[in-house]
Amino acid sequence: GAGVSQSPRYKVTKRGQDVALRCDPISGHVSLYWYRQALGQGPEFLTYFNYEAQQDKSGLPNDRFSAERPEGSISTLTIQRTEQRDSAMYRCASSLYGTGEGGELFFGEGSRLTVL
Amino acid sequence: GIQVEQSPPDLILQEGANSTLRCNFSDSVNNLQWFHQNPWGQLINLFYIPSGTKQNGRLSATTVATERYSLLYISSSQTTDSGVYFCAVDLNYQLIWGAGTKLIIKP
Repeated sequence: GAGVSQSPRYKVTKRGQDVALRCDPISGHVSLYWYRQALGQGPEFLTYFNYEAQQDKSGLPNDRFSAERPEGSISTLTIQRTEQRDSAMYRCASSLYGTGEGGELFFGEGSRLTVL
Repeated sequence: GIQVEQSPPDLILQEGANSTLRCNFSDSVNNLQWFHQNPWGQLINLFYIPSGTKQNGRLSATTVATERYSLLYISSSQTTDSGVYFCAVDLNYQLIWGAGTKLIIKP
């Protein structure tokens, strides 16, 4: 697609429910990143894929968080048994490859998650 | 770990003014990117600048990697320049982000 697309844009859920956030990167982009951004702060790294391989998941806060990119394109970030502290803007970004040469990051508009 | 510091934290200017935003980083990095987060929350990549100087319209950026800093220049500010400017340094594919400079341009 023309840009990074995320859905849903807004999600309100009750504590304890599972949520799935979707990211459709720019066509042809190998690398895909998930970030979380709290109000007034910079993005916080969660996880990173090259093609379908999850290269680093060290930023995922705990085992309730998981991500996949089964066909090397669309990715899903899943949060199980949501808690109020999970409320944040979840951002997806893609780059042609990595963050080195040619690695400009392009962000989607984000999915704002509110856990009641 | 690597530290990224941005200054000033806040900046209020009149439309038409020029400004310089600074990003210092504590260790050698592979790369550096500048982003603008507009008041609607969109994060837009401004520059990908490991070293040297780049210009894009009224914006330009300079990175001096050996001295571990980068500068973002905004000339003839417009109200649409308002928002938060982040620099992020690349450390083995993870971007380490500064806290941002919040810029307000008054008409």
